[in-house]
Amino acid sequence: EIVMTQSPATLSVSPGERATLSCRASQSVSSNLAWYQQKPGQAPRLLIYGASTRATGIPARFSGSGSGTEFTLTISSLQSEDFAVYYCQQYNNWPSFTFGPGTKVDIK
Amino acid sequence: QVQLQESGPGLVKPSETLSLTCAVSGYSISSGYYWGWIRQPPGKGLEWIGSIYHSGSTYYNPSLKSRVTISVDTSKNQFSLKLSSVTAADTAVYYCARLRIAAAGTGFDIWGQGTMVTVSS
Repeated sequence: EIVMTQSPATLSVSPGERATLSCRASQSVSSNLAWYQQKPGQAPRLLIYGASTRATGIPARFSGSGSGTEFTLTISSLQSEDFAVYYCQQYNNWPSFTFGPGTKVDIK
Repeated sequence: QVQLQESGPGLVKPSETLSLTCAVSGYSISSGYYWGWIRQPPGKGLEWIGSIYHSGSTYYNPSLKSRVTISVDTSKNQFSLKLSSVTAADTAVYYCARLRIAAAGTGFDIWGQGTMVTVSS
């Protein structure tokens, strides 16, 4: 089973600042990685797939990078609506999926 | 646009079977796509439960496989989840979602709003 870890668990950022979130896989997942954003009381929203491709309607301030076991989600300039929990998810061993534990981005 | 809506009992007794349905609107399930169930215990992260193709092929989380059944009813344009022998550990918000598969990558791109299921006597 591929285990996903995310760091930090909580990231405190001021509006307008850059946020960098990390995701690590216990073994290579190539570029088979997605990122989701979840706000309180809402379903997750797909942000990134294929490690770096933005999903439909996702603003350009969100970018993903990495391959193999190390991945990064960058939010270039945090807006008020970006404070949320972010999850990575691997699909390298499709049709099985595993999610990371999440990183909460809150207001500094 | 495509919308998903979960429905089912909000309270299930221990050892019984949890049953949920996901109604799909704005798209015909028989036209394609994979569909899935994901759950989230209170205050915790996301866990993939399983997925089904419109043809009926199913794929389950190995940790839940012995208790899970996912089925599709194309005539009603919906798919369903059954989880047997539930315990308090199965208390969670249950989401249904569409799985987008493309050359550029894969992800659950459309989600239902989620339904809270509590396991308690």
